[in-house]
Amino acid sequence: DVQLAESGGDLVPPGGSLRLSCAASGFLFSDHDMDWVRQPPGKGLEWVGRIRTKVDSYTTEYAASVRGRFTISRNDPSKSMFLQMTSLKTDDAAVYYCARVRDSTLYGSYADFWGQGTLVTVSS
Amino acid sequence: DIQLTQSPSLLSASLGDRVTITCRPSQGISDYLTWYQQKPGKAPKVLIYGASNLRIGVPSRFSGSGSGTEFTLTISSLQPEDFATYYCQQHSSYPITFGQGTRLEIK
Repeated sequence: DVQLAESGGDLVPPGGSLRLSCAASGFLFSDHDMDWVRQPPGKGLEWVGRIRTKVDSYTTEYAASVRGRFTISRNDPSKSMFLQMTSLKTDDAAVYYCARVRDSTLYGSYADFWGQGTLVTVSS
Repeated sequence: DIQLTQSPSLLSASLGDRVTITCRPSQGISDYLTWYQQKPGKAPKVLIYGASNLRIGVPSRFSGSGSGTEFTLTISSLQPEDFATYYCQQHSSYPITFGQGTRLEIK
């Protein structure tokens, strides 16, 4: 079974940094693009960014709200993805989900399996 | 950025009702649209991909239609487990965006 497990969520002060991890199992991790999506408490979903596979040179895409502050990386041998967050703002407080991307020629690339999320709180 | 407008934001319905949720992109996205269901405290789950394709394991009372600039998610006969929040998502272009969500509650 596909499993994704996020970790690393914590309480951090504004301006601080945090690194989230996503551990994958049950599928060939290196074959899939991966997403981060976040959800502030009581609010809707916001896409954070994507990292592509080695075939696409591990290129990344980011939402404008995090570009320049957040960095997505991955380690295929350990089946892990990471989200390095710096200069954190109160607006970054959210549950952060990692998601596997299904890449379909017909239907495009969408997140088909999600982890259970990890909570990031930004407060002094 | 492509904005997705979902309507309604809140939908009150009864068991057995047929309900429809609409998602309108600010520009055409072909059929690069996914519908998700989210229950409180849980991660979203895919219901429909490619605008109209039912994910394996999802009950057939769920269906999706549309293309371009108007999409719908229909539940043909509401069951107790369907009361949740529903989101549309476009992946036609970056940044990927979600609708604001439709909360489906029991009348």
